[in-house]
Amino acid sequence: GAVVSQHPSWVICKSGTSVKIECRSLDFQATTMFWYRQFPKQSLMLMATSNEGSKATYEQGVEKDKFLINHASLTLSTLTVTSAHPEDSSFYICSARDWGEAYGYTFGSGTRLTVV
Amino acid sequence: AQSVAQPEDQVNVAEGNPLTVKCTYSVSGNPYLFWYVQYPNRGLQFLLKYITGDNLVKGSYGFEAEFNKSQTSFHLKKPSALVSDSALYFCAVSFRSGNTGKLIFGQGTTLQVKP
Repeated sequence: GAVVSQHPSWVICKSGTSVKIECRSLDFQATTMFWYRQFPKQSLMLMATSNEGSKATYEQGVEKDKFLINHASLTLSTLTVTSAHPEDSSFYICSARDWGEAYGYTFGSGTRLTVV
Repeated sequence: AQSVAQPEDQVNVAEGNPLTVKCTYSVSGNPYLFWYVQYPNRGLQFLLKYITGDNLVKGSYGFEAEFNKSQTSFHLKKPSALVSDSALYFCAVSFRSGNTGKLIFGQGTTLQVKP
């Protein structure tokens, strides 16, 4: 089945630095990818929809300058958390839409970001 | 507004007993409904989905769900629970939003299966 690889699995960074998270579709082309944020024991909050070759569509209340999304190829989308602060600490999950399967969504394994 | 609700934060069941995790939705038009499971510090694993056709959908690991349009529900069920089923379960709905069809998730329900 479709596989989405997300890296890194976890990262610790200092306040003020930037962190990049990668999401790759390994065996299919993902024209659309989604980025979610999840707080402990809470649901997934959609942050943005990433479309290959165009600007991402951000959900209301998500700072686009804070969370930079790039989807430069059909198999790779990246989320960069810029000037990270402790409140950005969270679990980030990507998802890719597999157009080869009727309404197929495949999720990455997630990235635990801790900002100290 | 489109929304998905999982009314129970936690469901407790004894191993071997049937389990139900509830999900209701509020949408305009025809929804596409999904169930996912999440283990600690992991991504989401797909269990099953309803797109069209038979209202009873069978999925992975012995789970099934029934689409009930009149009650706007899509409850997840399993005839005999296993301890290994203990996890966080999410119901989700998709819409035709442009060409993206983004998923909207319910709050999640923690399933605890005790030996």
